[in-house]
Formats: sequence, structure tokens, C-alpha cells
Amino acid sequence: GESVGLHLPTLSVQEGDNSIINCAYSNSASDYFIWYKQESGKGPQFIIDIRSNMDKRQGQRVTVLLNKTVKHLSLQIAATQPGDSAVYFCAENIAGNQFYFGTGTSLTVIP
Amino acid sequence: ETGVTQTPRHLVMGMTNKKSLKCEQHLGHNAMYWYKQSAKKPLELMFVYSLEERVENNSVPSRFSPECPNSSHLFLHLHTLQPEDSALYLCASSPQGGRYGYTFGSGTRLTVV
Repeated sequence: GESVGLHLPTLSVQEGDNSIINCAYSNSASDYFIWYKQESGKGPQFIIDIRSNMDKRQGQRVTVLLNKTVKHLSLQIAATQPGDSAVYFCAENIAGNQFYFGTGTSLTVIP
Repeated sequence: ETGVTQTPRHLVMGMTNKKSLKCEQHLGHNAMYWYKQSAKKPLELMFVYSLEERVENNSVPSRFSPECPNSSHLFLHLHTLQPEDSALYLCASSPQGGRYGYTFGSGTRLTVV
């Protein structure tokens, strides 16, 4: 099966600092990726996506970087806020088939 | 609210009970999904319905039985569960094909005692 994993299960950052969450994927045929945020007591929510023909995409305070050479995805959160505390998942998709999710990284923002 | 509503939010059931989880979406999507989320594990796809027909069943034990009466509603019927079935059960929906991701509900936290 597919394998999507995260380098670090937990991450603590000071409020106002930037956060970087990493994700490794195993299938070089994956052509679409999503980052989800899951707050306590809620389901995963879409944050940002990127297609494999791009290496960077920016949203509001978030940036996703894709390195296809090493099959690595990262999510950067600028000026991290307490409301950013959550579990973050990456998900990969191959040609419209089912998504495969990582185990998640728990981000804690220290006030 | 994401547009996908799950009830109940919490459920405690004995191993001999029968219960059902309900999911409702108001997004006009025509594909719906059940996922199991256990601690420190990736989301596990259980069932997929597209246009009310089951298109995926990932070797889920028969003690879990899905039902999709229409494109807006999805149920997961539970009977004779085991303690290891305790988890967060997430429902999701998407436009047909789900190419650009899913909209998830808040889940039902199930505890089997």
C-alpha cells in the first residue's frame, strides 16, 4: 500500500515564530497533495493543496513546498498563533484514486 | 460546521449492543466515506459510496455495516464490536471522484466496553 509519513510526531513553537511541518511520501506517481488541520474535537479541515507540477504554493500565512526529487512535502506556517495548535496531516493522491493520509504532527503553540 | 454533520458525537457501547452512526451532508456532494481514526495511525478508509452505490470496502469486518439510502445520508451500523474498535469514526463527502479532497465531519468518538 501507499506510505505517507511525518518526520516528527510533535512540534512545539513559540507564538510568533514560524513553524515547519514535514511529510515524506513514497509513491513518485502521486500527483496531488493536501495538508489538513485537525483541531481537538473536530474533523480534518483542508488548509492548502499543491499539484505535482508545482514546487511551491502560498496561502494566507501558510506555504506548502514540494520536493519531488526526495518525495518530501512541507507546510510552513508564518507567525504561528495559538489557534494554529492542532494536528496536521498530509495526504497524497494518485490520478484521482483514494487519498492516503499521514499519521499527523501535533503542533503546540506556546504563548 | 463544515456542512457534514455526524451524530452522535460520543458513543459508549457494550460488546453485545447494536448502534448506528449517522452522517448527513448539505453540500450537494455525491460521494461519501467512512474513515476510522485511531491514535498514532493514519486515517483508515473503511467504505466509499458514490452515487449511493458502495464502491470500496477495505476488508472491514462484517460487524461494521454501512448504509447509504441517498446521496445526503450515510449510516454505519455497529454490532458485536470489540474493544479495539474504539476510535474516532469520521464521515466525509466529496464531489464524485473526490479528486480535490474531502470535507470531513467532526466524527463520532466510539468507546466499546
